[in-house]
Amino acid sequence: GNSVTQMEGPVTLSEEAFLTINCTYTATGYPSLFWYVQYPGEGLQLLLKATKADDKGSNKGFEATYRKETTSFHLEKGSVQVSDSAVYFCALSKVSGGGADGLTFGKGTHLIIQP
Amino acid sequence: EAGVTQFPSHSVIEKGQTVTLRCDPISGHDNLYWYRRVMGKEIKFLLHFVKESKQDESGMPNNRFLAERTGGTYSTLKVQPAELEDSGVYFCASSQSGWKAFFGQGTRLTVV
Repeated sequence: GNSVTQMEGPVTLSEEAFLTINCTYTATGYPSLFWYVQYPGEGLQLLLKATKADDKGSNKGFEATYRKETTSFHLEKGSVQVSDSAVYFCALSKVSGGGADGLTFGKGTHLIIQP
Repeated sequence: EAGVTQFPSHSVIEKGQTVTLRCDPISGHDNLYWYRRVMGKEIKFLLHFVKESKQDESGMPNNRFLAERTGGTYSTLKVQPAELEDSGVYFCASSQSGWKAFFGQGTRLTVV
C-alpha cells in the first residue's frame, strides 16, 4: 500500500536559516503530492501541492518538487521566520492525480524557529 | 467565511461509553472527510462523503464506528462502545473542488 516517510522532529532552526524537510513516498501509479501545515491551535492547512512528475509546488516562500526518480517531495524554504513554527505533514493522494480523498500522511515534522 | 468546525474540541470518556463527534463543513462543500491520528502515528483516512452518500469508507476501523451526514450538511461520527485504542485526534475536512481540503481543528478523544 501507499506510505509516506518524513523526518521526525523536532527540528530547531534559527531565524533566517535554510530549511529542508525530507519526504519520500511509496505508491503505485502517479499520485498527487501535498504538504499540509498545522499552526498551534489550528487545523491542517494545505501549503502546496504537485500533481505530476517534475511539478514544483510553491506558497509563502516554501517550495517542493515532485521527483519521481527518487520518489521524493522535499519541502524547502530559503529563510525561515519565527511564524513558520508549526507541524508539517507530507501526504499523497489515493489515486493518480487525485485530491483530498483517502490521503496518506506522514507522521509530521515539528518545526521550531528560534529568534 | 467560516471554516470547518468540530465539536467538541476535547472529550474524555470511559471505556464502554458512547461518544458522538460532530463536524460542520464549509457551506457549499459537497465533499466531507474524516481522518484520525492516533498518538505517535500517522493521520489515517476513515471515510469520505459526497453530499449525504458514503463514497469511500474503506478506512473505518470496525463496526463500532458509525458515520452519518444528515441532508448533506453536517456529519457525525459515533463510537459505540469506545475502547482504549480509539483515543486520538479526529479530524474532519471538507472540499468543493476535490483536491483542496480544509481541515477543522480536530476533536481530541481520550478513552480511559
